[in-house]
Amino acid sequence: GQQLNQSPQSMFIQEGEDVSMNCTSSSIFNTWLWYKQDPGEGPVLLIALYKAGELTSNGRLTAQFGITRKDSFLNISASIPSDVGIYFCAGANINFGNEKLTFGTGTRLTIIP
Amino acid sequence: SQTIHQWPATLVQPVGSPLSLECTVEGTSNPNLYWYRQAAGRGLQLLFYSVGIGQISSEVPQNLSASRPQDRQFILSSKKLLLSDSGFYLCAWSTGHSEAFFGQGTRLTVV
Repeated sequence: GQQLNQSPQSMFIQEGEDVSMNCTSSSIFNTWLWYKQDPGEGPVLLIALYKAGELTSNGRLTAQFGITRKDSFLNISASIPSDVGIYFCAGANINFGNEKLTFGTGTRLTIIP
Repeated sequence: SQTIHQWPATLVQPVGSPLSLECTVEGTSNPNLYWYRQAAGRGLQLLFYSVGIGQISSEVPQNLSASRPQDRQFILSSKKLLLSDSGFYLCAWSTGHSEAFFGQGTRLTVV
């Protein structure tokens, strides 16, 4: 099935550093979502974006819905150890009660001690 | 509040054996339900989705099937497992006008 292009695939950073990842698609979406997955668990929703150009924050996390509706980015400021995990973007067209999410390939975040 | 339960958490099954994974949602009615599979180190692949009882759509041809016998119950099955069926299976729900919420997942190892 279709997948979004998410980059980078992996990141190795030191605690306290800022993180930036993005997601691009050949298709337009009216909704962008960002999830975090810890090992052996299901993804947990971090931020939902519903409007082109929207910039939304959730604590140290900030995400933006691209103007073209074909991309989104996620920033994490001042990273901490619990930020470790895999981050997934997902796009959807939530209009008619039958939306399906298209997921990115994920960004694995590792914090170097 | 809404909750989603998925079981078992881990499962080891021999090749050729049947499979039944169950997912139930509480606290909402008429949810959209989804089964995803995640191969090791990979993204999520949508396998099936359902918008109502008895309504199942398959996204990819495979050795698996899904059923929705009740409004908030979604079952993933196989008559004969293959080695390639190993993976992390995730159930998710949405209201149809919102983001999806995931269960804790089932780690299936076919040996």
